[in-house]
Amino acid sequence: QVQLQESGPGLVKPSETLSLTCTVSGVSSSSNYWSWIRQSPGRGLEWIGYIYYSGNTKYNPSLRSRVTMSIDTPKNQFSLKLKSVTAADTAVYYCADGGSHFGYWGQGTLVTVSS
Amino acid sequence: DIQMTQSPSTLSASVGDRVTITCRASQSVTTWLAWYQHKPGKAPKLLIYKASTLEGGVPSRFSGSGSGTEFTLTISSLQPDDFATYYCQQYHSYFTFGPGTKVDIK
Repeated sequence: QVQLQESGPGLVKPSETLSLTCTVSGVSSSSNYWSWIRQSPGRGLEWIGYIYYSGNTKYNPSLRSRVTMSIDTPKNQFSLKLKSVTAADTAVYYCADGGSHFGYWGQGTLVTVSS
Repeated sequence: DIQMTQSPSTLSASVGDRVTITCRASQSVTTWLAWYQHKPGKAPKLLIYKASTLEGGVPSRFSGSGSGTEFTLTISSLQPDDFATYYCQQYHSYFTFGPGTKVDIK
């Protein structure tokens, strides 16, 4: 069974970098697209970007200047970095599989941006 | 950007009711549309993709239809496990989600 689990700090200070990791089990990360999606009361569900197992990436144009994704296929993990965060980046962050529709999602992790 | 809207935003229904949710896109997405069910604290669940293809393991009471800019998700006979929020998502150009439709108990 495919499972995804997000991990990382739940609190990030304004202007700093948000860093999250998604650990995949039940399937190899070297076979798919892997996405990050976030949900906040103000903006609903927002796709952040995806990374292919080869390392190719595609980002939401509205976040592109601040986002970096990476993948570690031996560890079956992929990661998100979002720099220069503000309170508007407070959200539940989900990792998911897919580069079109999203078949499997993690449970989500709340990240709060606050000093 | 392709914007997605859903109606209604909230729907009150009873077990056994037929429920229909509408999703509209600001421009054609052909049939590149998915539907998800989301319950608080849980991972969203893919129900339908390519507008009308049922994801494996999803009960047949769920169905999707539409193309272009207008789509519907229908639950033929609402079950207790179906009270949740439903989202549509287009993947024709990047990926955008609708604002959600909450189905609650009448």
